[in-house]
Amino acid sequence: RKEVEQDPGPFNVPEGATVAFNCTYSNSASQSFFWYRQDCRKEPKLLMSVYSSGNEDGRFTAQLNRASQYISLLIRDSKLSDSATYLCVVDSWGKFQFGAGTQVVVTP
Amino acid sequence: GEEVAQTPKHLVRGEGQKAKLYCAPIKGHSYVFWYQQVLKNEFKFLISFQNENVFDETGMPKERFSAKCLPNSPCSLEIQATKLEDSAVYFCASSQSPRENTEAFFGQGTRLTVV
Repeated sequence: RKEVEQDPGPFNVPEGATVAFNCTYSNSASQSFFWYRQDCRKEPKLLMSVYSSGNEDGRFTAQLNRASQYISLLIRDSKLSDSATYLCVVDSWGKFQFGAGTQVVVTP
Repeated sequence: GEEVAQTPKHLVRGEGQKAKLYCAPIKGHSYVFWYQQVLKNEFKFLISFQNENVFDETGMPKERFSAKCLPNSPCSLEIQATKLEDSAVYFCASSQSPRENTEAFFGQGTRLTVV
């Protein structure tokens, strides 16, 4: 079983719609959680950290559920520029483990 | 520097040749990570360093792959006797010490093509 699992998608989303997807992790001792975005095989860039109480950054909302060992990302009012692969990253004391990524395609 | 710098951007090697990739972490970051991404596949963790010391090498292929982070020099990842399946983008990342919500910053990657 992989340490970090994501639905690969693609999630085809009309512009302006809301999309949400999850990521599960197997190591209960994991401390830190992140969502990264990767465009066209460029380097991943941090979208947002995921805090225990959940957090929001503009149109993006991240949640952490430690009991069920998953994190989620919700994108509201999707823009064409949100089309990308979203990578779930879980850190256990300096070992960053990546999910395979969830592809989101926002269509006009 | 303010960003993770990887060189070269592209590298083409014939099968059996050696490939050497370089990474300069962000100044002040003590952790360096190497990942391999093949085509559209997931990031495969290779090795991490805490300063000059190997922190975690559980992802490193035992043969042909080696890596170093020496003081006052860029970190390096070396592949001896490259094979076709080594073709991938190799990403380097750096971070500060592992405390809660300290993210890793990535370089632009080195695309290795073995022909």
